[in-house]
Amino acid sequence: NAGVMQNPRHLVRRRGQEARLRCSPMKGHSHVYWYRQLPEEGLKFMVYLQKENIIDESGMPKERFSAEFPKEGPSILRIQQVVRGDSAAYFCASSPGDRAGLNFGAGTRLSVL
Amino acid sequence: AQSVTQLDSHVSVSEGTPVLLRCNYSSSYSPSLFWYVQHPNKGLQLLLKYTSAATLVKGINGFEAEFKKSETSFHLTKPSAHMSDAAEYFCVVTRTLDSNYQLIWGAGTKLIIKP
Repeated sequence: NAGVMQNPRHLVRRRGQEARLRCSPMKGHSHVYWYRQLPEEGLKFMVYLQKENIIDESGMPKERFSAEFPKEGPSILRIQQVVRGDSAAYFCASSPGDRAGLNFGAGTRLSVL
Repeated sequence: AQSVTQLDSHVSVSEGTPVLLRCNYSSSYSPSLFWYVQHPNKGLQLLLKYTSAATLVKGINGFEAEFKKSETSFHLTKPSAHMSDAAEYFCVVTRTLDSNYQLIWGAGTKLIIKP
């Protein structure tokens, strides 16, 4: 059973470009969570999704950031018009239910030039 | 409000000696507490979790942690450090009583193992 898969592992974008980060949850997991880790800090919750639904987006910046988890395919975290402050590691986690423990992926490290 | 403080940003020990990584928490209820480990350029792996059962929790790779309510602490220990333990360790507390994802993360402690 493969773990949570994130790709790409590293992503380099210039200011103003779009970044798309993908997350495939563990098999059988229908709950996906995105977190951001800034340098020298712990993870900050961004958004919680189930298939085709956003359950909690209280941690998402109001502009430029969006997330989806379609019926088929991976969850996507999309950052439009990236700025240098978006440079961070973005982690995805999945779980089989809303009371279960989280399994984390290896993260995508976004660098904005 | 819930919070978690990791008291040391770096801890350096010699291989074969005990490891102590300190974590204090603040919570208005009896929280769930976790320790995660992150090896360089790798994902986060759950070491152990406390969910109001036994106060001494055993985890993977020989690590354990003791929940001390009177001291609001959840320190991580290992009797004998191994080179492969070199990583960053995060103490985590749940933000709300019934949420598994609203997590508050400590700033992390980098564990350095000297040969």
